[in-house]
This record gives sequence, structure tokens and C-alpha cells, in this order.
Amino acid sequence: DAGVTQSPTHLIKTRGQQVTLRCSPKSGHDTVSWYQQALGQGPQFIFQYYEEEERQRGNFPDRFSGHQFPNYSSELNVNALLLGDSALYLCASSLRRRGTEAFFGQGTRLTVV
Amino acid sequence: GDSVTQMEGPVTLSEEAFLTINCTYTATGYPSLFWYVQYPGEGLQLLLKATKADDKGSNKGFEATYRKETTSFHLEKGSVQVSDSAVYFCAPLWARDDKIIFGKGTRLHILP
Repeated sequence: DAGVTQSPTHLIKTRGQQVTLRCSPKSGHDTVSWYQQALGQGPQFIFQYYEEEERQRGNFPDRFSGHQFPNYSSELNVNALLLGDSALYLCASSLRRRGTEAFFGQGTRLTVV
Repeated sequence: GDSVTQMEGPVTLSEEAFLTINCTYTATGYPSLFWYVQYPGEGLQLLLKATKADDKGSNKGFEATYRKETTSFHLEKGSVQVSDSAVYFCAPLWARDDKIIFGKGTRLHILP
């Protein structure tokens, strides 16, 4: 079991550009959540996908959007990048409404210059 | 709303010292409780968990007990090692929405 995998591991983008980050959940998991972790801070919830629909959303602007595919993998898209979007983006997978732990990927380090 | 509060770091201890990192959460329902650890440059790893009141989670010498009456889940270790240096996150999860709430994290430095 490969666990949760994210790609790419590192990314450098220019302000105003768009970026897509990818996540494959742990085998058997059906729910994917995305978090943004700024340097020195705790992860902040962006949104969660289940059955290919966004089920919950944190306090992030519409520039942040996502998608979940039939195989449960997911993408996070960020448009019109700002310098403040520089962060570690973490993907977590879990089983819907079981109250069981989420497993995290290693993250994608996004730097906006 | 749902929230979690951890003791602020950084916490600096000598090797073999006793560790306690405090964690409390707001009690709207009964969440599952987790401690995650983040080593430098890495993602989050589950350290231990407890899913109901009075459960004790343990792993790698770390322990935490689910205290419903005080809505707390304090992390303890009897003898820390240099390799325990990392950032520790207390994280409640409410089954109603599967959303994990993270505290700000506590950075732990262990000196040899």
C-alpha cells in the first residue's frame, strides 16, 4: 500500500499564474481533504471531496477549487496566484464519517515568486 | 465553533526528560482525538489516537488519555530522545463532518 501520494513535491510559480496539485488517496479510502500549511503554522482546512463533490469548504477564496475523480484521486487548483499562497499543501485521505484517522501525504511545497 | 488549543512552543528539553504537551478542545459532541507529528520537511504522521472517553492512545513511548470531563488530550512521554524533535499537532475529528481541526502545533527541541 503506497499510502497517500502527492505530486509534484515542489513547485515554483509566478504571481498571477495557475497551478494544479494532485493527490492519490490511500487504498480503500473515499474522502480527500486538502489543507494549506504556511511556514510555522498549523494546517488550515481548504475543502473536502466525497463522491466527486465538494462537501465542505474552509475560509478560502474561490480562486481555490478542486475536483475528485471516480477513482477517488483529487486535484487542487489555485488561480491567480498570490505571494501569500506560498505554503505546503497537504492532502489527507479517510473513510467517510467513520471518525477514523486521516492519512496525510508528504505535501507539495508551492513557492510563488 | 469547533476549536483546539495547544500549549505554545517551542519546548526545549534535555534528553531523557519527561514531556507533557497540553491540548484542550471545544466540546460540541464527542470527537475522535489524534496526535500527529511533523518532522522537518515532511508531511504529517499519525502518532496516536483515542476514539472514546477514557481511551488511552500510545505509540513509540508517547501516551495520551481522552478526558471527556476536561475536554483534554495531553501528550506525555517519560523519557524523550533527540529523535523526538519535531512539531506536534493535537487534532480532534468530529465524525459528523470528517473535518480535522488542527492546533497551531508545538515545536519540540530535545538537546543531547
